[in-house]
Formats: sequence, structure tokens, C-alpha cells
Amino acid sequence: AQTVTQSQPEMSVQEAETVTLSCTYDTSESDYYLFWYKQPPSRQMILVIRQEAYKQQNATENRFSVNFQKAAKSFSLKISDSQLGDAAMYFCAYMADSGNTPLVFGKGTRLSVIA
Amino acid sequence: SQTIHQWPATLVQPVGSPLSLECTVEGTSNPNLYWYRQAAGRGLQLLFYSVGIGQISSEVPQNLSASRPQDRQFILSSKKLLLSDSGFYLCAWSGPGETQYFGPGTRLLVL
Repeated sequence: AQTVTQSQPEMSVQEAETVTLSCTYDTSESDYYLFWYKQPPSRQMILVIRQEAYKQQNATENRFSVNFQKAAKSFSLKISDSQLGDAAMYFCAYMADSGNTPLVFGKGTRLSVIA
Repeated sequence: SQTIHQWPATLVQPVGSPLSLECTVEGTSNPNLYWYRQAAGRGLQLLFYSVGIGQISSEVPQNLSASRPQDRQFILSSKKLLLSDSGFYLCAWSGPGETQYFGPGTRLLVL
């Protein structure tokens, strides 16, 4: 079974600085998708970024980028120029590319942003 | 554009009472639908998912059940709530093999 591990329960970053959140996963599949979701205090899950495993280029969305290392099964999220609104729980998630499979989530990393 | 709704937003129920949480999606057809539960300070646990009307897959055996009476409607139910059913319930939708998008969630407190 696929598993997703986030080894950092909590992280903090100074406003305007850069922070990297770690995620590793375990799978025997060759085709899959990886995601980072953000859960602010409102608790709604918001998609931050998505990476297709067949793409070598790392996904980027404004201040958010990933470092996808397929061989190492690593998928870290980098947040640049951190803002107070970035404070949230961040979940890494995996989905096999078989059409109708649900997401497998990590346990999350709580990010605090210090003004 | 697609939107997903959940209600109620908050619910306080006594132990042993029934439960019905509803999720509806607009702007798409034949979506995959999912129910997750999140206990306080913890990750998401997949409860049920559905790839079509009347098709429900259960991930965790418990006193909850799910139904999909219409293409874009997904209902989570219980006949008798337990204290351990308290949590935050999230509904999500996706196209096949696509990104999941989540609703605003329902906070359930069982007393």
C-alpha cells in the first residue's frame, strides 16, 4: 500500500523568508500524481500545487514550488517570501494514476509565520 | 466553474442520535465523490468514495454509511452516533484521475 510521510509536525518561518516542507512517499507505481494542500484555520482544504510523476520539470505556482525527486520518492514544498497568510497546516498527498483512486495523505505539517 | 457545497456547517448531536450530512457538486457531471474525516489536530481519513450513482466503496468499517442517490449528491449517514464520530467531515470531488477539490466541511460534535 502507498504511504506518505511528513516528518516535520511543525515548522516556523520569519515573514519574507523561505521555508521548505518535506514529504516522502512509498509506491511501486510508475505513474502517479503528487499534491500539496493547505488547510488554514477555516479548515477548508485548498490545493496549492500538483505534480505529475512523468514530468521531470518541477511544478511552480507563484511563490510555491516543489522539488520532486522521483528516484528518492521525495516531494518537498518550498514557500518563498513567506506571508502571514501562509500560516496553515500543509498536507502532502499521493494519487495513483489508475483513474479512480482516492488520495493518500500525510499527517501534515503545521507552519507558523512569525512577523 | 465547479462548486461544492456541504451542509450543515456545524452540528451538535447527542450520542445515539441519527446523522445526515449532505454534499452536492455543481458545474460538472459524473464526478468522483469522497467523504473524509479529520479528528482534531490530525490528518485526513478516507471514509467512502463513489465513482457513480449507487456505487460506494467503504474504506473504514464503522457505524457510518454513505449513499449517492443522484449524480452530484453524496450523503453521509449514521443510525446511532458515537462519541468517537466527532470530527470535521470533508467532502471532495474530482474527475477521473484528476485533482480533488474540497468543500468547506462540517464540524460535528457528539455529546
